[in-house]
Amino acid sequence: AQSVTQPDIHITVSEGASLELRCNYSYGATPYLFWYVQSPGQGLQLLLKYFSGDTLVQGIKGFEAEFKRSQSSFNLRKPSVHWSDAAEYFCAVGANAGNMLTFGGGTRLMVKP
Amino acid sequence: GAGVSQTPSNKVTEKGKYVELRCDPISGHTALYWYRQSLGQGPEFLIYFQGTGAADDSGLPNDRFFAVRPEGSVSTLKIQRTERGDSAVYLCASSFAGAGGPYEQYFGPGTRLTVT
Repeated sequence: AQSVTQPDIHITVSEGASLELRCNYSYGATPYLFWYVQSPGQGLQLLLKYFSGDTLVQGIKGFEAEFKRSQSSFNLRKPSVHWSDAAEYFCAVGANAGNMLTFGGGTRLMVKP
Repeated sequence: GAGVSQTPSNKVTEKGKYVELRCDPISGHTALYWYRQSLGQGPEFLIYFQGTGAADDSGLPNDRFFAVRPEGSVSTLKIQRTERGDSAVYLCASSFAGAGGPYEQYFGPGTRLTVT
């Protein structure tokens, strides 16, 4: 069975600083990988996804993530954080097309002015 | 176009009561998923529908939980004899399915269930 670990429960960064959120997964084959963002009282919004091909994927709102098979990681990055990026971020892995997602526990991002 | 909608947005019920939570997926999406998100945790899979049938219900915690999708569109999650531990946000998602995939899941805003 697949699993996802997000080691950082909370992260605080200053506005304008760079950001990296960590995600490690466990799955025997090539996974489908996702990052979602959840603002208070909102549903999950897809930031980006990796299915195959180029291991560096670009998403919405200036986010990117890199799939590293050797490290079983899919870390999310942003070069300059905005106050509106404060939210909860979830990494997820899917085993098959159209199948269930397994989520990590989430990382809560706070942005200092 | 319209996204995934869920009703009600909030539901408060007493322990032991029966509740129904509704999900209206994006038009044309044949796959529908239910997840449960407890406070401070990531969503956990409950059940997945392909069309009208439940393709995977391995995440349902026990037989008090049941879901249907009779016409392959709207789905209802039903919880009998609710317990305080059922309190959570119930999320619904939908996606395309079949050839040409994989496809990403689009989530609704969720129903917050509180069992008192």
